[in-house]
Amino acid sequence: GAGVSQSPRYKVAKRGQDVALRCDPISGHVSLFWYQQALGQGPEFLTYFQNEAQLDKSGLPSDRFFAERPEGSVSTLKIQRTQQEDSAVYLCASSLARLGDTEAFFGQGTRLTVV
Amino acid sequence: AQSVTQLGSHVSVSEGALVLLRCNYSSSVPPYLFWYVQYPNQGLQLLLKYTSAATLVKGINGFEAEFKKSETSFHLTKPSAHMSDAAEYFCAVRSGLGQGRLYFGRGTQLTVWP
Repeated sequence: GAGVSQSPRYKVAKRGQDVALRCDPISGHVSLFWYQQALGQGPEFLTYFQNEAQLDKSGLPSDRFFAERPEGSVSTLKIQRTQQEDSAVYLCASSLARLGDTEAFFGQGTRLTVV
Repeated sequence: AQSVTQLGSHVSVSEGALVLLRCNYSSSVPPYLFWYVQYPNQGLQLLLKYTSAATLVKGINGFEAEFKKSETSFHLTKPSAHMSDAAEYFCAVRSGLGQGRLYFGRGTQLTVWP
């Protein structure tokens, strides 16, 4: 596609519900990142994939968070038993390579509200 | 470890005035530095990036930034603000040795008055 696509754009979940957020990266992009952006804050790193391999998950805040990219393209971020503190915008980004100066392209994000 | 500090969470300027958004970084290795802009309900768009080729970097929409190693700064400027520049701006650093993750500042909200 032309850019990084995320769905849904908005999600309201009841506390305790499981949610799944989808990211479609730019075709051919090797690297895929998930970030969490709380209200009034900068994005915080969650996890990184190179193709289908999850090479860094050090930013996942708890074991309720799980991400996968089984075929090296589409990725899903799953949050189990959602809590109010999970309310944030979840951003996905992809880049062509893992080189340090490579531009990361961001999707529009999924705004998750836990009530 | 890498980190970014953006001084001033809110900056207000008049249309036509100079825009200066401050960013200081901390990095144990030569960094790659980025400025992103975020419009309401949108993702992040790259304005410019420093990759050690030149210390003065020109980006889109008339923005530029200067890398000053001695001051560990990468401030963003624009000579003349336009109403359409009103947005949130994020400075980010990435280690040259890392796997590509970005460390972001908390952001600066730019307001442009007519």
